[in-house]
Amino acid sequence: NAGVMQNPRHLVRRRGQEARLRCSPMKGHSHVYWYRQLPEEGLKFMVYLQKENIIDESGMPKERFSAEFPKEGPSILRIQQVVRGDSAAYFCASSPDFETQYFGPGTRLLVL
Amino acid sequence: GNSVTQMEGPVTLSEEAFLTINCTYTATGYPSLFWYVQYPGEGLQLLLKATKADDKGSNKGFEATYRKETTSFHLEKGSVQVSDSAVYFCALATGANSKLTFGKGITLSVRP
Repeated sequence: NAGVMQNPRHLVRRRGQEARLRCSPMKGHSHVYWYRQLPEEGLKFMVYLQKENIIDESGMPKERFSAEFPKEGPSILRIQQVVRGDSAAYFCASSPDFETQYFGPGTRLLVL
Repeated sequence: GNSVTQMEGPVTLSEEAFLTINCTYTATGYPSLFWYVQYPGEGLQLLLKATKADDKGSNKGFEATYRKETTSFHLEKGSVQVSDSAVYFCALATGANSKLTFGKGITLSVRP
């Protein structure tokens, strides 16, 4: 069973561009979580999704950020008009049962 | 709200030394508690977990006991190895969504 997959692993964007991060959960997992890790800090929850539904987006900035988990295909975290403060590592985790989350390798976003 | 406090780091030990990393928490309800480990450039790996008071989680020589009376979940290992060098995160999850709240993490370096 392959682990959680994220791509790209590294992403460089200039200010004002869009960043699109992808997450493929483990097979059989229907719960997806996104977290952000700023330099020298722990991970902060952003959003929790199930297939075709956003369940909890309380940690996501109100503007420029959006997430989806379509019926087919990976979960997408989209950041529009990126700013330097968006530079961080973005981790996706999937879970089959609410008990345990399995993390992907992360996407490291650098905004120039 | 929920919060996790980890001891300040970094921590440097010699190989075969005893390890303790302190973690305390504040939570509403009855959280599940976790230790995750992050190796350089990688995502988080679940190290161990405990879901109710007095449970002991253990894995790869590491262990932690869920202490409700002291709201703690300290990580211990009797004899560390160089390969244990990594960042360790304590985390909790509560509620139906089970989103994780993380501590800031602590960097462990083990010298040969």
